[in-house]
Amino acid sequence: DAGVIQSPRHEVTEMGQEVTLRCKPISGHNSLFWYRQTMMRGLELLIYFNNNVPIDDSGMPEDRFSAKMPNASFSTLKIQPSEPRDSAVYFCASRDRSTNEKLFFGSGTQLSVL
Amino acid sequence: LAKTTQPISMDSYEGQEVNITCSHNNIATNDYITWYQQFPSQGPRFIIQGYKTKVTNEVASLFIPADRKSSTLSLPRVSLSDTAVYYCLVAPRNSNYQLIWGAGTKLIIKP
Repeated sequence: DAGVIQSPRHEVTEMGQEVTLRCKPISGHNSLFWYRQTMMRGLELLIYFNNNVPIDDSGMPEDRFSAKMPNASFSTLKIQPSEPRDSAVYFCASRDRSTNEKLFFGSGTQLSVL
Repeated sequence: LAKTTQPISMDSYEGQEVNITCSHNNIATNDYITWYQQFPSQGPRFIIQGYKTKVTNEVASLFIPADRKSSTLSLPRVSLSDTAVYYCLVAPRNSNYQLIWGAGTKLIIKP
């Protein structure tokens, strides 16, 4: 298995632009997480999906952020409009129901909003 | 959810055994202790998990005393490639999703 795949690896955009981050979880995993990592705040959970259904999005900073999981093999995190303070590394992680405690992370998307 | 306390950073040398201790005074009865490793430009990677006493796998050992208020991750004979940030987390085994990630311990291995 190729692991959790995220794209793009790097994204540079200008303030006000729409940004879409993509994630393909490991096949067979039924839980998906979006995290944001910054030096100041560390790893923060943005949203958690179970069986493609958003269970908790209380970590999403504001209405500019939205996430979808249309099927078990794909999820997106969208920021519209983007702001400089959104600059961070965004990670997607998935989890297998049989190894409930183990999260598998992607390599992340480094987002820079100018 | 229990919070953890770890040293911010540690240094060691190649070939040495490294022990990183994590304090979790408020650990609950059904909490497990899990350690992750994160290299630069990568997502965290699961290393080991335990509930009590000792757990060992091909990468590390985890020592948990009887009171479970702390745990020690032991990395035998480290190499330069073990330079990374190590996170200690505590959560119920079947917790849905709420993991508290602290700042972790930045381990630097020197030649």
